[in-house]
Amino acid sequence: AQSVAQPEDQVNVAEGNPLTVKCTYSVSGNPYLFWYVQYPNRGLQFLLKYITGDNLVKGSYGFEAEFNKSQTSFHLKKPSALVSDSALYFCALNFAGDYKLSFGAGTTVTVRA
Amino acid sequence: GAGVSQSPSNKVTEKGKDVELRCDPISGHTALYWYRQRLGQGLEFLIYFQGNSAPDKSGLPSDRFSAERTGESVSTLTIQRTQQEDSAVYLCASSLRERGGNQPQHFGDGTRLSIL
Repeated sequence: AQSVAQPEDQVNVAEGNPLTVKCTYSVSGNPYLFWYVQYPNRGLQFLLKYITGDNLVKGSYGFEAEFNKSQTSFHLKKPSALVSDSALYFCALNFAGDYKLSFGAGTTVTVRA
Repeated sequence: GAGVSQSPSNKVTEKGKDVELRCDPISGHTALYWYRQRLGQGLEFLIYFQGNSAPDKSGLPSDRFSAERTGESVSTLTIQRTQQEDSAVYLCASSLRERGGNQPQHFGDGTRLSIL
């Protein structure tokens, strides 16, 4: 069973509106959680990570994510989306001492002008 | 350059041929990973190298797949007797070695492999 779920294949928002990309996980213990973004014909770019501590993590390009242990979620957010944020977003996790990342299936974000 | 470099960027070959994909990690990164990304899907872990330790090959889908890395330098992923289902983007990533395994992985742009 997949341990990382991204329940939405696609998210469409208007430029300037808030953007949320959802991620939930179904593993026990305390995973490390990551968000990556992929632009067409490019590799993945690291956005942010949660290891421990403050549940709100800030990352690159104005993105942030909130870790919620009780809901086993790690949703990615941006207060005001840009057209240039249109891309494929991946949530991923691993555990302490385990370098392998398990990825969600990805969410395609389209921001319309 | 400063990033992970992969070559070739595109490879088209006939079914049954062998292919070799190359990855040049970021200098100083001791960990190196190979992933496969099929169209419209997430990333599938293939193999992990950490310095001179034995690699984690648990993700290799069949014995047609193999990978090598000498020390902390270039890695090659070889697929023998290619099949059409091997068509995918093969991504390489590298990271610093860190005790807890929480270092972000830095990805190359991938090799797009098409098997005719």
